Amino acid sequence: EVQVLESGGGLVQPGGSLRLSCAASGFSFSDYAMTWVRQAPGKGLEWVSAVSSSGDGTFYADSVKGRFTLSRDNSKNTLSLHMNTLRAEDTAVYYCATARYSSDWYIENWGQGTLVTVSS
Amino acid sequence: QSVLTQPPSVSAAPGQKVTISCSGSSSNIGNNYVSWYQQLPGAAPKLLIYDNNKRPSGIPDRFSGSKSGTSATLGITGLQTGDEADYFCGTWHASLSIYVFGTGTKVTVL
Repeated sequence: EVQVLESGGGLVQPGGSLRLSCAASGFSFSDYAMTWVRQAPGKGLEWVSAVSSSGDGTFYADSVKGRFTLSRDNSKNTLSLHMNTLRAEDTAVYYCATARYSSDWYIENWGQGTLVTVSS
Repeated sequence: QSVLTQPPSVSAAPGQKVTISCSGSSSNIGNNYVSWYQQLPGAAPKLLIYDNNKRPSGIPDRFSGSKSGTSATLGITGLQTGDEADYFCGTWHASLSIYVFGTGTKVTVL
């Protein structure tokens, strides 16, 4: 069974940093692109970032570009999202998910999410 | 900020049909395939439709997707109380190399 499990969320002050992790199991991690999607309280879904299966390609939403860094360790089946210079508007549940390409990209298997709260 | 527009809400009685529209542009829907995601209350999103009209295994054929031009549509037939959820469309925005979601639609079963 495909599973992705997020961790690392919590309360952080504005301007602070946080690292989210995603542990993958039940599939060949190195064959899949991975992505993060967030959802602010009571709001819709916002795509954050994605990384290619090999890790040599990364993509970011404009709202996090230059502040967030996405990386992966295929030897440990883990994904890491380093978040710096956090703002109140980064407060959200962050979902880790697999990204798959058929005729086009889609987000296939989602984790349960981890809550990040940016507040003083 | 979402670039794909959906109606905020739709509703129908049990057993009836609802359709949810997703409107975009030639930069996203017009030249890419659309996916749909279901988010039940308090749960993580779940893939419902990909490549405009394909259903992952386990998704009942009551759910269908279509695309025409710069718009896509999700249809739900035989509406059930368990279908009450938020539904989001999504697609790859090729020129910006980002993934974009729709504004989301809340489905209510009357």
